[in-house]
Amino acid sequence: AQRVTQPEKLLSVFKGAPVELKCNYSYSGSPELFWYVQYSRQRLQLLLRHISRESIKGFTADLNKGETSFHLKKPFAQEEDSAMYYCALSSSGSARQLTFGSGTQLTVLP
Amino acid sequence: GAVVSQHPSRVICKSGTSVKIECRSLDFQATTMFWYRQFPKQSLMLMATSNEGSKATYEQGVEKDKFLINHASLTLSTLTVTSAHPEDSSFYICSAGTSVKDTQYFGPGTRLTVL
Repeated sequence: AQRVTQPEKLLSVFKGAPVELKCNYSYSGSPELFWYVQYSRQRLQLLLRHISRESIKGFTADLNKGETSFHLKKPFAQEEDSAMYYCALSSSGSARQLTFGSGTQLTVLP
Repeated sequence: GAVVSQHPSRVICKSGTSVKIECRSLDFQATTMFWYRQFPKQSLMLMATSNEGSKATYEQGVEKDKFLINHASLTLSTLTVTSAHPEDSSFYICSAGTSVKDTQYFGPGTRLTVL
């Protein structure tokens, strides 16, 4: 069975400080990992996916298969980064069924 | 592009009645739609996966007779909560995806309150 764990429910950092949101997974196959973000009163939206190896809004995430982790990082947090962040894992196949972690509420303090 | 809408955004109903929630992909054809349920301050729990023209696949513990899903076209899926009870009160979110787009696009959600 696949599982996604986000150990931190809440995370607060000061503006300009580095931020890391942790995500660990368990999956027997070859995983595809995603980070989704939900800003206040907005819908869930894709932030980034590991296969793209891209940086979105200054965020990056590297898939570490040895540690089964996909932590989200940003070197200098901004107040507008305050949101709920969900790590998700996709099963193989075109259905792209997602398993979500429990989410981390990030608050960036001024 | 890739916008998904849900209607209604908020609904209040009496216990024992049925409620239908619509999910539409506005600018793309969704071969697969997903229905999630989100409790306050909790994650999204997948309820079912529906493919256009076929029966939905329900997750373990989700009553298929209670949560009726219809995916009649490539742009519309509906979730009907039958004989609703207060414990069905929740935030229901749909998403739509295609094998080409290789991701899911989420609707804004529907807040259901059963009195």
